[in-house]
Amino acid sequence: AQKVTQAQTEISVVEKEDVTLDCVYETRDTTYYLFWYKQPPSGELVFLIRRNSFDEQNEISGRYSWNFQKSTSSFNFTITASQVVDSAVYFCALSEYSRDDKIIFGKGTRLHILP
Amino acid sequence: DAGVIQSPRHEVTEMGQEVTLRCKPISGHNSLFWYRQTMMRGLELLIYFNNNVPIDDSGMPEDRFSAKMPNASFSTLKIQPSEPRDSAVYFCASSPTELTDTQYFGPGTRLTVL
Repeated sequence: AQKVTQAQTEISVVEKEDVTLDCVYETRDTTYYLFWYKQPPSGELVFLIRRNSFDEQNEISGRYSWNFQKSTSSFNFTITASQVVDSAVYFCALSEYSRDDKIIFGKGTRLHILP
Repeated sequence: DAGVIQSPRHEVTEMGQEVTLRCKPISGHNSLFWYRQTMMRGLELLIYFNNNVPIDDSGMPEDRFSAKMPNASFSTLKIQPSEPRDSAVYFCASSPTELTDTQYFGPGTRLTVL
């Protein structure tokens, strides 16, 4: 069965520090998709990235970067030079191409960026 | 372009009452998803439609919950009768194609059942 583990329930860092949010997943499929979503205090869920299982290239978008490693079944998310506006709950999610399983979200990591 | 629209944004009702949540997906998107978010259980997929047809409703907690998608631009999630344990934030999301595609979420409906 699918499983997504975000072991860090809550993290606090001081502004301008770098922070990495961990995501470890389990799947039986060879074709699957991984996602990161952000939920700021206002409550909406904002899409950040989608990555398929055949693309292991790391992705960088501004201060955000993602490290996908199939060997360790991890899809970690790093924020460089964090800002207070990055404070949010971040969710990692997994969906399988087979459609037999649902999209599964991790429990989320609550990130506090302290001024 | 308008995003996913949900109404109402907040709903407070008494136990036993019927509750109907509404969702308008992004125009042109073929899939629609209903989620429930609680502190205890996190974000759970309740049901997923593709081309207006329910594909997977195994996440619907019990028979008190029902969802419909009469056309490509509208869906409802109904709870009857409502119970206090149904209190949660309910999100609707849509995606261009299917489950593995990027989902775009609405602002959510915060439901409180007294």
